[in-house]
Amino acid sequence: GEDVEQSLFLSVREGDSSVINCTYTDSSSTYLYWYKQEPGAGLQLLTYIFSNMDMKQDQRLTVLLNKKDKHLSLRIADTQTGDSAIYFCAESKEGSQGNLIFGKGTKLSVKP
Amino acid sequence: NAGVTQTPKFQVLKTGQSMTLQCAQDMNHEYMSWYRQDPGMGLRLIHYSVGAGITDQGEVPNGYNVSRSTTEDFPLRLLSAAPSQTSVYFCASRLDRGQETQYFGPGTRLLVL
Repeated sequence: GEDVEQSLFLSVREGDSSVINCTYTDSSSTYLYWYKQEPGAGLQLLTYIFSNMDMKQDQRLTVLLNKKDKHLSLRIADTQTGDSAIYFCAESKEGSQGNLIFGKGTKLSVKP
Repeated sequence: NAGVTQTPKFQVLKTGQSMTLQCAQDMNHEYMSWYRQDPGMGLRLIHYSVGAGITDQGEVPNGYNVSRSTTEDFPLRLLSAAPSQTSVYFCASRLDRGQETQYFGPGTRLLVL
């Protein structure tokens, strides 16, 4: 199966919380990342978590990692229209030179 | 710092033509890489380099060549373009393999007819 899987679409209303989920298959992953891509642009690193952590919070962003289930989530509090973008989950495996393996991306649409 | 820069932004090629996608970074990063992004797909690693003079293959290297003669530059060459190489190409760099933050360029959109 795929190394990193994400649902393809998520639609929320402005002001609500968004939760984007990701599953990965390799227990040797060292870092897990969330990237944001706006239309026609490159990738912007939002946050990352080391595999020995279970939670990381950065302003409106909360990352939860369940290593037992190999499940990663990104919660965006008080979602704004400017948060509309594609969000990519990525993993870096031990011994991989830090190369990233990406999921296919979740397109977040925020409705006013 | 300009960060990671890529040229051109957009290119149209005919099948069989060759071209070089340019990537440069001014952050003195050791690690650089090339990814391609196709519709509905995540990014897939083409080639990477852990320092000047050192390159290695990623997940989808066929049809692409790279070299790393300086720390700053990491060009990607298509020797004989094929329609299957129509994609958006992203270059990325990182300080070294232990450094978490990988910086991406703005991308080059390539159309092969």
